[in-house]
Amino acid sequence: GQNIDQPTEMTATEGAIVQINCTYQTSGFNGLFWYQQHAGEAPTFLSYNVLDGLEEKGRFSSFLSRSKGYSYLLLKELQMKDSASYLCAVMDSNYQLIWGAGTKLIIKP
Amino acid sequence: ETGVTQTPRHLVMGMTNKKSLKCEQHLGHNAMYWYKQSAKKPLELMFVYSLEERVENNSVPSRFSPECPNSSHLFLHLHTLQPEDSALYLCASSQDRGTGANEQFFGPGTRLTVL
Repeated sequence: GQNIDQPTEMTATEGAIVQINCTYQTSGFNGLFWYQQHAGEAPTFLSYNVLDGLEEKGRFSSFLSRSKGYSYLLLKELQMKDSASYLCAVMDSNYQLIWGAGTKLIIKP
Repeated sequence: ETGVTQTPRHLVMGMTNKKSLKCEQHLGHNAMYWYKQSAKKPLELMFVYSLEERVENNSVPSRFSPECPNSSHLFLHLHTLQPEDSALYLCASSQDRGTGANEQFFGPGTRLTVL
């Protein structure tokens, strides 16, 4: 079966750095997405990785290792507004997104 | 604002009611999706439409019936639902379906409660 694993909840301090991991087992691979979802709001796109390596976009970076079935989202200089759920999703061979259950990130002052 | 709107935002219905959820996208996209989001569970893909044709139906009970009258509008018709159908229903759109770098844009969702 297809499976995406990510931690249920993480806590970090304002101004610090946090890394949210995602491991996956899917039927084929056509890219990995990270989305941010604030409570009561729509998920919004953060990043897309299809090749191995690190993609940097401002305070957020996303890493992919296809051989290990592994990705992480790195958030730097954490702000209170970064408190949200972070969803990892993999596009399989049928171009269908397989979703993780999300990681709830709590930022403390 | 993501360019995808959903109405109503909240809906409470009895098990014998019939109601419809509406989604509209203002992005000129060709693919639209219905998802179910339950607490602490992964997003569940329910239906996919590409160029107004249904291309995916992931074993969804027949009490959920989608309709896509044109590329900008998507409906989810509900009838004789069960309490376990209570969840957040999200609509999304993407430029196309069948390519990798094809991010999906989500609406704010309809919070459905079935009594």
